[in-house]
Amino acid sequence: GESVGLHLPTLSVQEGDNSIINCAYSNSASDYFIWYKQESGKGPQFIIDIRSNMDKRQGQRVTVLLNKTVKHLSLQIAATQPGDSAVYFCAEYLQGAQKLVFGQGTRLTINP
Amino acid sequence: DTGVSQDPRHKITKRGQNVTFRCDPISEHNRLYWYRQTLGQGPEFLTYFQNEAQLEKSRLLSDRFSAERPKGSFSTLEIQRTEQGDSAMYLCASSLVLGGEQYFGPGTRLTVT
Repeated sequence: GESVGLHLPTLSVQEGDNSIINCAYSNSASDYFIWYKQESGKGPQFIIDIRSNMDKRQGQRVTVLLNKTVKHLSLQIAATQPGDSAVYFCAEYLQGAQKLVFGQGTRLTINP
Repeated sequence: DTGVSQDPRHKITKRGQNVTFRCDPISEHNRLYWYRQTLGQGPEFLTYFQNEAQLEKSRLLSDRFSAERPKGSFSTLEIQRTEQGDSAMYLCASSLVLGGEQYFGPGTRLTVT
């Protein structure tokens, strides 16, 4: 069925450490994935995306890894800062359905 | 600000009343999406427009819900005879290409009392 899930609902890291947020997806036909950041009271904000013909993509302080064999997606945030505190969602684009399917989200908190 | 905008940001209504929300997408984006998000959950797809044509609707969109995009620019989402279960954040997103990045607005938070 359609589902995108996350391994951990909450993640707490020390400021300056690297954060890794994981996501499992179920539809092997999905060909596009996006990570969004959502701060309290705001809409989701695009962080980084990856297509299924890639296994890694890097942005500024963020890296997304895609393992199609086990249908797993991860978001790595380097040198985590207080401003990174938010809920992070992975979303799966269902080809032909013309919509994004979101997971439940992981709340990232930064300890000073 | 050239991002997606939504109005109002907050709406409190009594059960049984009708409400209407507006979304203004990024100007050159011809694809527009509505999602609903409840507390602690990810957004759930409701419906999708390409220009003025409504191409897909979720099973979540009951008969009390209707969405329009009459001129292919802004869109409205109306909920008739609101129920307490309709309380949620209603998010609008737009994109330039099919299967591409969707940009979200700030959402309209609906509270039905």
